Amino acid sequence: EAQVTQNPRYLITVTGKKLTVTCSQNMNHEYMSWYRQDPGLGLRQIYYSMNVEVTDKGDVPEGYKVSRKEKRNFPLILESPSPNQTSLYFCASSLSLIPSGGYTFGSGTRLTVV
Amino acid sequence: DAKTTQPNSMESNEEEPVHLPCNHSTISGTDYIHWYRQLPSQGPEYVIHGLTSNVNNRMASLAIAEDRKSSTLILHRATLRDAAVYYCSANNAGNMLTFGGGTRLMVKP
Repeated sequence: EAQVTQNPRYLITVTGKKLTVTCSQNMNHEYMSWYRQDPGLGLRQIYYSMNVEVTDKGDVPEGYKVSRKEKRNFPLILESPSPNQTSLYFCASSLSLIPSGGYTFGSGTRLTVV
Repeated sequence: DAKTTQPNSMESNEEEPVHLPCNHSTISGTDYIHWYRQLPSQGPEYVIHGLTSNVNNRMASLAIAEDRKSSTLILHRATLRDAAVYYCSANNAGNMLTFGGGTRLMVKP
């Protein structure tokens, strides 16, 4: 089944403890992106990648890192998480920037930083 | 990318058409208009997109104003499963999606 898989689905961590949220897609998509969703703020893009080794900042990149060493994986790294990074995170992928079938989103990772 | 403005919420009766508006007055000529929806506890789901002409697919229709400063997502017969938050986005081919606050659609039986 074509999908975007995020892990973990839920994560509670403490301030300052490095963590990685993984994202993997099995559709050979070129484009991948990370979003965070907060009440009242909608979805905001964190980082995106147009190809292997090509990443760029979205609207809210502060406090996050990403890497794209292989086409299928696009992990989101929080080097020193803080409580304001408590949020619902989504990974998305697509074949092209304007895909005929749209972007495919993962099921989300709910992160709580205490 | 253009800023989008949508009503916070809308209500509809089941089996009736729903017109969800989106304002994107700062849209540029290369910006595509996208619509996604998000059901509770799920990731966003693609609905439809277009550039200048109206578009139809199995889920919905997209009506784009002649000046492209606004668009309307049309659900022809709302069902209870259409209750979701609907996001409109206007972005160019050089960037990925940006979403605003969305419209929460409530469907009454």
